[in-house]
Amino acid sequence: DVKVTQSSRYLVKRTGEKVFLECVQDMDHENMFWYRQDPGLGLRLIYFSYDVKMKEKGDIPEGYSVSREKKERFSLILESASTNQTSMYLCASRLGQGTQPQHFGDGTRLSIL
Amino acid sequence: GENVEQHPSTLSVQEGDSAVIKCTYSDSASNYFPWYKQELGKRPQLIIDIRSNVGEKKDQRIAVTLNKTAKHFSLHITETQPEDSAVYFCAAGGNAGNMLTFGGGTRLMVKP
Repeated sequence: DVKVTQSSRYLVKRTGEKVFLECVQDMDHENMFWYRQDPGLGLRLIYFSYDVKMKEKGDIPEGYSVSREKKERFSLILESASTNQTSMYLCASRLGQGTQPQHFGDGTRLSIL
Repeated sequence: GENVEQHPSTLSVQEGDSAVIKCTYSDSASNYFPWYKQELGKRPQLIIDIRSNVGEKKDQRIAVTLNKTAKHFSLHITETQPEDSAVYFCAAGGNAGNMLTFGGGTRLMVKP
């Protein structure tokens, strides 16, 4: 069974802080994704990576960056956290092509005060 | 880019009734349509998916239909049970862009 692990379930940070969200998968998947989930808006893609050191912007990349130094790990970085980045963040991974299913982590509920 | 709309946003049914959730998409190049179920406080989990070379797929009480001409697809749950209560998300993608675009979600409540 695919295991996608996010480092924190809950996180509280202050405005202006640099925030790191970590995600690790154990199935040697090439593709990894970061989404944010807000009520009524579904899941919106922030960034994805299809290989080590490779990244592509999703629909809402502003205010975020990512890092993928190793295949199993994909980090989301909030360069200077703002209150409108309070949300649930979900990481996912996928093997191979776009017609394969994505597997999600449990999510990190991030509050920016 | 792709745009996915999902209806209704909330759905309440009696136990044993059927539930239908509908999604439309905009990009005719999309060829992969998964459905995810998210129980309260848990991760989204894939429950069924369909690819564009198939018009219908069934797995026990769950079925998905796809109309590529009209660019819409639907989730059908028969004989609903209280444990079917959750938020359901549709998505479309699988084209060269490599991304999935999700609908806004449907909160399904099954009343015993």
